[in-house]
Amino acid sequence: NAGVTQTPKFQVLKTGQSMTLQCAQDMNHNSMYWYRQDPGMGLRLIYYSASEGTTDKGEVPNGYNVSRLNKREFSLRLESAAPSQTSVYFCASSSGFGELFFGEGSRLTVL
Amino acid sequence: DQQVKQNSPSLSVQEGRISILNCDYTNSMFDYFLWYKKYPAEGPTFLISISSIKDKNEDGRFTVFLNKSAKHLSLHIVPSQPGDSAVYFCAASRNFNKFYFGSGTKLNVKP
Repeated sequence: NAGVTQTPKFQVLKTGQSMTLQCAQDMNHNSMYWYRQDPGMGLRLIYYSASEGTTDKGEVPNGYNVSRLNKREFSLRLESAAPSQTSVYFCASSSGFGELFFGEGSRLTVL
Repeated sequence: DQQVKQNSPSLSVQEGRISILNCDYTNSMFDYFLWYKKYPAEGPTFLISISSIKDKNEDGRFTVFLNKSAKHLSLHIVPSQPGDSAVYFCAASRNFNKFYFGSGTKLNVKP
């Protein structure tokens, strides 16, 4: 079982470039999440999807868009990357009635 | 403003002793709480949870205590082992929707 898979694991962008972080889960979970982790800030929720076709903003949604393509996949898009978006991004999923399962993370650097 | 706070960035404990990690929250509507452990360059892994209908939950060496009136929860690890050295995050949600995380506490267990 792969669990939650994130791609790419590492990415370097220049300011103003765009990119999409992909996330897929094979646990038939309803809920999916995108978090970012920054030193001293912990994990901050960017966007949340309770089920296929629904998305909701989290604590730090500015500069990001998401797509819940189907039940398995939840992508995070940066339309015009900024240095402040340099971070480690984590995707997670849950059944909707219990704990979150996290991917291994995607390290993004914006120059 | 952070809804979940971990005010101790780090904790150092001797092997075999008790580790106590603390977490405070501001939203009295939170009804489900989680603790996660995170090693460098890995995704967070679930440790233990507690529902607001309980005040204690145990799983092996790990016990979580919830004090609803104080909006405070704690994780006790007994006995602490060097392999427990990691960053610990607490998280809270209402109705299993958005999960809000604290900033983390780095635990160092000395042999």
